[in-house]
Amino acid sequence: QKEVEQDPGPLSVPEGAIVSLNCTYSNSAFQYFMWYRQYSRKGPELLMYTYSSGNKEDGRFTAQVDKSSKYISLFIRDSQPSDSATYLCAGAVQGAQKLVFGQGTRLTINP
Amino acid sequence: GAVVSQHPSWVICKSGTSVKIECRSLDFQATTMFWYRQFPKQSLMLMATSNEGSKATYEQGVEKDKFLINHASLTLSTLTVTSAHPEDSSFYICSATPSWTSGQTGDTQYFGPGTRLTVL
Repeated sequence: QKEVEQDPGPLSVPEGAIVSLNCTYSNSAFQYFMWYRQYSRKGPELLMYTYSSGNKEDGRFTAQVDKSSKYISLFIRDSQPSDSATYLCAGAVQGAQKLVFGQGTRLTINP
Repeated sequence: GAVVSQHPSWVICKSGTSVKIECRSLDFQATTMFWYRQFPKQSLMLMATSNEGSKATYEQGVEKDKFLINHASLTLSTLTVTSAHPEDSSFYICSATPSWTSGQTGDTQYFGPGTRLTVL
């Protein structure tokens, strides 16, 4: 079993829709959870960062972490074609530098 | 700030040759640099962690004699793929953690743009 599981998609939605991206993880020691956005043939860029359980909002993006069910989510409101990318979730143990990534979900926002 | 560059961005080589990839932190000193490999439609897999002036720590299953890592300065790390074979063709991405952070909170890795290696 992979430490972080993510549906690879692809996921295609119309512009303006609300997008929900999800991951599950198995390592109970994870305390930090990240969402990265990766455009084609580029390196990942940090989009959202959450510590432990709870919600975090930044503009059109909301990250949720439910440690009881080991479930993390990213919501994108008012999706734009420029949001089309691969979204990677990642977890990390406190005190460790290693990030464990999910497979990534390829998202396409259609105009 | 916190920009990481990689060179080259794309390289094609013949089977059996060696290829060197550079990772530079342009506007900060990096305590630690990481090397990842990403196959098409797959996730980033950590290959090794390197600290300036010390030997790299390789993840299980990664051949240290095949993937040579040198972290000679606080702004430069190199990955050399020795005797490359077609199965080594992949997207190699580095990341760096600034020296002003502890690097232990998960949000302090800045990623380079990646290097696409194709071995013929």
